[in-house]
Amino acid sequence: TQLLEQSPQFLSIQEGENLTVYCNSSSVFSSLQWYRQEPGEGPVLLVTVVTGGEVKKLKRLTFQFGDARKDSSLHITAAQPGDTGLYLCAGRDGRRGGSEKLVFGKGTKLTVNP
Amino acid sequence: DTGVSQDPRHKITKRGQNVTFRCDPISEHNRLYWYRQTLGQGPEFLTYFQNEAQLEKSRLLSDRFSAERPKGSFSTLEIQRTEQGDSAMYLCASSRTSAGGEQFFGPGTRLTVL
Repeated sequence: TQLLEQSPQFLSIQEGENLTVYCNSSSVFSSLQWYRQEPGEGPVLLVTVVTGGEVKKLKRLTFQFGDARKDSSLHITAAQPGDTGLYLCAGRDGRRGGSEKLVFGKGTKLTVNP
Repeated sequence: DTGVSQDPRHKITKRGQNVTFRCDPISEHNRLYWYRQTLGQGPEFLTYFQNEAQLEKSRLLSDRFSAERPKGSFSTLEIQRTEQGDSAMYLCASSRTSAGGEQFFGPGTRLTVL
């Protein structure tokens, strides 16, 4: 069974601070996706990383995929109240003939206080 | 709006009743997925379709659950004889058939079983 562990589970910071969220597994994933979810809504795709060691930037958000494709991180610079939400990482099976389903972590609930 | 749509957004039912949810995927996507999300957890995979064929089902999908995608476009998820433990957010996602096809989620249907 593939599992993704996210940390921290909860994070409350002040506007302007930087933060990093981690997503770890003992399994290899063919790709890893980061989503942001608001209460009562579906997850919204932020980015997909595919290649080991890949780094992608989306404005103040920086995403990294581990060299072995088992872990990922999300770094937010100068957080703003609009960044508040639940951040979910999700991986696709990296094995040949593996499932098309996404395996999700439990998420990191981020609160950015003004 | 050409995103994934789900109907209804909210459903309250009494234990033992049957409920049916609908999902309309992004029009050019031929893969469609159902996930379930309970409070404090990430989404968990239930089943997925490629066109009208149901290719994978999770062990979470008990015999009270059935999903269909008869014409390869919209899909329905039916839960028979609902139980309080079925209360959750039911999420639908769609993707293209390609390696690393990114999954885009709908807004979800929130089910409450009284």
